[in-house]
Amino acid sequence: QVQLVESGGGVVQPGGSLRLSCTASGVTFSRYPMNWVRQAPGKGLEWVANIAYDGSGPNYADSVRGRFTISRDNSKNTLYLQMSSLRVDDTAVYYCVRDDVGGHRDWGQGTQVTVSS
Amino acid sequence: DIQMTQSPSSLSASVGDTVTITCRASQGIRVSLAWFQQKPGKPPKSLVYGASTLHSGVPPRFSGWGSGTEFTLTITSLQPDDFGTYYCQQYAGYPRTFGQGTKVDVK
Repeated sequence: QVQLVESGGGVVQPGGSLRLSCTASGVTFSRYPMNWVRQAPGKGLEWVANIAYDGSGPNYADSVRGRFTISRDNSKNTLYLQMSSLRVDDTAVYYCVRDDVGGHRDWGQGTQVTVSS
Repeated sequence: DIQMTQSPSSLSASVGDTVTITCRASQGIRVSLAWFQQKPGKPPKSLVYGASTLHSGVPPRFSGWGSGTEFTLTITSLQPDDFGTYYCQQYAGYPRTFGQGTKVDVK
């Protein structure tokens, strides 16, 4: 059974930084692309970033490109999202999502990020 | 970017009803289309990929159809556990984009 557990969320001031982590178990983490998807309060889903199984070719949503960096450490079965220059509209639940055939397959429970002064 | 438009944005239905949700892509995406179900306070659940293939464990009352720019998700004989919000997403290109969601609630 695949488990994805996010951590690192919290409250941060505008302009601040935060690093999210997602630890995977029950799956050979190093074989699969991984994503971050977020959901602002009362809003729909927004894809944020994606990274290939070997750490190559990250892709980003326009709304975060240049401010967020996705990375992974396959030796630790862990996915990261380094977030900087945070804005109020980055406030959301951030989900870690594993890709398999056909895109998104397994979702973590999410971690809350609140950007507020 | 590929825009995904779902309709309706919400619908009310009764247990036993058949409901259909439509998703339109702003350009052709072949069958690179997925559907997700989300309940309040929970992460989304993956239902369908490749426009029509159910993930393992998804009940057969769910069915997906379409290719190119027009897609549907149909739920036959709606069950109490099926109420929630449904999202489509294209994964033909980056950025991956979701529809705005369709909320299915009890009539």
